[in-house]
Amino acid sequence: NAGVTQTPKFQVLKTGQSMTLQCAQDMNHEYMSWYRQDPGMGLRLIHYSVGAGITDQGEVPNGYNVSRSTTEDFPLRLLSAAPSQTSVYFCASSPPGRLARTDTQYFGPGTRLTVL
Amino acid sequence: RKEVEQDPGPFNVPEGATVAFNCTYSNSASQSFFWYRQDCRKEPKLLMSVYSSGNEDGRFTAQLNRASQYISLLIRDSKLSDSATYLCVVRNTGNQFYFGTGTSLTVIP
Repeated sequence: NAGVTQTPKFQVLKTGQSMTLQCAQDMNHEYMSWYRQDPGMGLRLIHYSVGAGITDQGEVPNGYNVSRSTTEDFPLRLLSAAPSQTSVYFCASSPPGRLARTDTQYFGPGTRLTVL
Repeated sequence: RKEVEQDPGPFNVPEGATVAFNCTYSNSASQSFFWYRQDCRKEPKLLMSVYSSGNEDGRFTAQLNRASQYISLLIRDSKLSDSATYLCVVRNTGNQFYFGTGTSLTVIP
């Protein structure tokens, strides 16, 4: 199993450009999420999905869109990049957790995004 | 109020020392609790889950006090390889995970 994969690893954008960060998992996990990590802020939830066709907003959703057409993939779209979106983005997945309280999240290696 | 609060440190300790990290959470209905480890420029990885009865994994001991909404992590006999940031994580009933800002640990030879 590859686990959670993310592409690209690094990206530089100009203000106003759009792009999609890719995330895929091969563990058949229903729950997937996107976080951003900034110095001194910890990880903050952007969007999450509890299964194919279902998405919801997290703590900091503005400027980002997601979709979940398959169980495996959960792309994050930046609609019009801004310097405030310079960050490290992590995708994570986990089983639904209703049956096992100890189920936790597995993270991808991250995408380091710089917006100029 | 933040969902999860941690002392950011940094903690600089000599090899062999015992160090303790603390964390508090605000939602009394939170269901599950974890400690993650994050190395520089890497993704967070699960260190251990935290149970009400307390649990131990080698040199690491985690405790949960639901009444005080308090979680702790104790590292005994610190190794150089323990240097990292330790994240306190809480999962609520809606399956959302909340992360503390992390506590930085450097173990000094």
